[in-house]
Amino acid sequence: GDSVTQMEGPVTLSEEAFLTINCTYTATGYPSLFWYVQYPGEGLQLLLKATKADDKGSNKGFEATYRKETTSFHLEKGSVQVSDSAVYFCALSSSYTDKLIFGTGTRLQVFP
Amino acid sequence: SQTIHQWPATLVQPVGSPLSLECTVEGTSNPNLYWYRQAAGRGLQLLFYSVGIGQISSEVPQNLSASRPQDRQFILSSKKLLLSDSGFYLCAWNPGQVTYEQYFGPGTRLTVT
Repeated sequence: GDSVTQMEGPVTLSEEAFLTINCTYTATGYPSLFWYVQYPGEGLQLLLKATKADDKGSNKGFEATYRKETTSFHLEKGSVQVSDSAVYFCALSSSYTDKLIFGTGTRLQVFP
Repeated sequence: SQTIHQWPATLVQPVGSPLSLECTVEGTSNPNLYWYRQAAGRGLQLLFYSVGIGQISSEVPQNLSASRPQDRQFILSSKKLLLSDSGFYLCAWNPGQVTYEQYFGPGTRLTVT
């Protein structure tokens, strides 16, 4: 079945460092791909999305490119801030259903 | 614009007591609705989803149940809580058309003692 694999966390960075959080997927059909962010004690917020191969989603300095050849959707940001500290979830739309398949989440900790 | 509400925000309940969590969506009609649970430090587990009034799909067999009495209202219930029911409960909605992203509510923190 469809699945999403994220890199284990926590990812610990200094402020202004470059961020990459890896996400790979297995899916039938042509899923849409998403990144969600969860700040402590809050619900998930949609960060960005891509609906077809080679699409690049971007928001708030974060970006991710839908790579069908490598089945990946890695999240990147050029310069992280302390306020980016959160848990990041990669997700895909499950084929032929109305459900999303989530990865296990990656905690990002940014220190000043 | 659309908004999603959940209440209560936090809840502490003894083992064996009943549970009722409520989720409502404003500003849309006939949304798909979802209940997730997030255990401490863990990922998301889909519990139930609904594509219409009275239509509930259960993903995980357990002592929880869900109902959708109105188009934009989704309720999560239990007759007798277990310690393992503790967690962060999230409701989400989706327009139910060609777009697949889900929008999440603020969550309910449930502690079963």
